[in-house]
Amino acid sequence: SAVISQKPSRDICQRGTSLTIQCQVDSQVTMMFWYRQQPGQSLTLIATANQGSEATYESGFVIDKFPISRPNLTFSTLTVSNMSPEDSSIYLCSVHGAPSYNEQFFGPGTRLTVL
Amino acid sequence: AQSVTQLDSHVSVSEGTPVLLRCNYSSSYSPSLFWYVQHPNKGLQLLLKYTSAATLVKGINGFEAEFKKSETSFHLTKPSAHMSDAAEYFCVVSVDSGTYKYIFGTGTRLKVLA
Repeated sequence: SAVISQKPSRDICQRGTSLTIQCQVDSQVTMMFWYRQQPGQSLTLIATANQGSEATYESGFVIDKFPISRPNLTFSTLTVSNMSPEDSSIYLCSVHGAPSYNEQFFGPGTRLTVL
Repeated sequence: AQSVTQLDSHVSVSEGTPVLLRCNYSSSYSPSLFWYVQHPNKGLQLLLKYTSAATLVKGINGFEAEFKKSETSFHLTKPSAHMSDAAEYFCVVSVDSGTYKYIFGTGTRLKVLA
C-alpha cells in the first residue's frame, strides 16, 4: 500500500483567490488522481496526472480553473483558481497501488471552504 | 460505458443485526469492483475488491461481497453490525484497463442504532 499526505488539511479562503493543494506519496507511482467531493456528495474525478505529461481532465473540469503539476513520481499539486463558494469541497488525491494497479489509495483530503 | 448504482442512500440497522448495502453495476466487460468506507472526517479506506478471481470476496472488519454477473450486482454484507460501522460506503467500478479510473456510486450512509 501507499501512504499519502496532503497539505493543507483544511483552509478557509476568500472568493477570487487561489489555493494550491499538495499531495505527497511515500513511493514512486505512475498515475495520480485528483477528486472533488462536494458537501454530502460522492467523489468526482477531476483529472489524471502522469509524470512528465499534461494532466488529463474529465468533462466539466478545465485546466484554467484546476491547474495541476506533476514534477516527479512522488508529488503533485492541484490549484483551485479564482475560487467561489461553489468550490467549497473536499479535494482528495489518490494513487494506484503496485502490483495491483486496479486498486487506488487515497489521501486524507483537503477540506476547502470559500467565503 | 461503466457505471454503478447504489440503491439506498441511507440504511439503518440495529447493532448486532445483519447489514446489506446494495450495488448494481453496468459494464461492457468484466469489471473490477470495490467497496470503500469513509468515516466522518476521515479518509477513504478500501474494504474489499473483486478483480475476476473468486466471486465471494472477503474484506476487512467482517465485511464481504458477492459478485453476481447474472444480476450485475456486488452487494456488501456483514453478519452483525457494530456501532463503529456507522459511516458512508461507496461502491466503485474501475474503468477499462489503461486508464484505471474509478467511477464512484452515490454512496450509502449506514446508521447503526444501539
